[in-house]
Amino acid sequence: AAGVIQSPRHLIKEKRETATLKCYPIPRHDTVYWYQQGPGQDPQFLISFYEKMQSDKGSIPDRFSAQQFSDYHSELNMSSLELGDSALYFCASSLGRYSGRARDEQYFGPGTRLTVT
Amino acid sequence: AQTVTQSQPEMSVQEAETVTLSCTYDTSENNYYLFWYKQPPSRQMILVIRQEAYKQQNATENRFSVNFQKAAKSFSLKISDSQLGDTAMYFCAFMKPLTGNQFYFGTGTSLTVIP
Repeated sequence: AAGVIQSPRHLIKEKRETATLKCYPIPRHDTVYWYQQGPGQDPQFLISFYEKMQSDKGSIPDRFSAQQFSDYHSELNMSSLELGDSALYFCASSLGRYSGRARDEQYFGPGTRLTVT
Repeated sequence: AQTVTQSQPEMSVQEAETVTLSCTYDTSENNYYLFWYKQPPSRQMILVIRQEAYKQQNATENRFSVNFQKAAKSFSLKISDSQLGDTAMYFCAFMKPLTGNQFYFGTGTSLTVIP
């Protein structure tokens, strides 16, 4: 079965550079979530989108922005990168917010490991 | 805000034995979902088991089962017949539906299965 695809899988950037992470949800999934997992930490919710609209915002820095496109893929744009942004960034998708049981089934992608030097 | 607490940073178990990972949470909500996710060295997040708060019956998935105590806000994971492939970080997660659906994770328990 198709899973959530994230690209790139690994990314190395320097301080103050910009990075773009991409997430392709499972086909028919219309909701995307972004999580950040620092070294040795639990995943922290950043932001989510439902039907191409931002639905919720967590601990996402102002330097970061994200959007969901018409094909439901999402991109997380990170500017003025800092050393502390080095983390594993997960994308998860689900079928929708009001789709009964399916709405709570979040499927995680493999993550993008971002290293800021 | 919801908080999820895993008080056991590290645990180990002999292969084929049973181990229980603890998780407590704090919420004023009545309707919510609880999950256990496994994160092996590959760092992939893999769903192990889920529990709806409105269900009294404890969820089970093969060798994995939970002890859900709603009044005590406790959600422990029991792994029976532990296998080497169970070695991973285990995260307990809370989700409140219809208001974002984002997960709140605990800090994780690193489980090592000893041959």
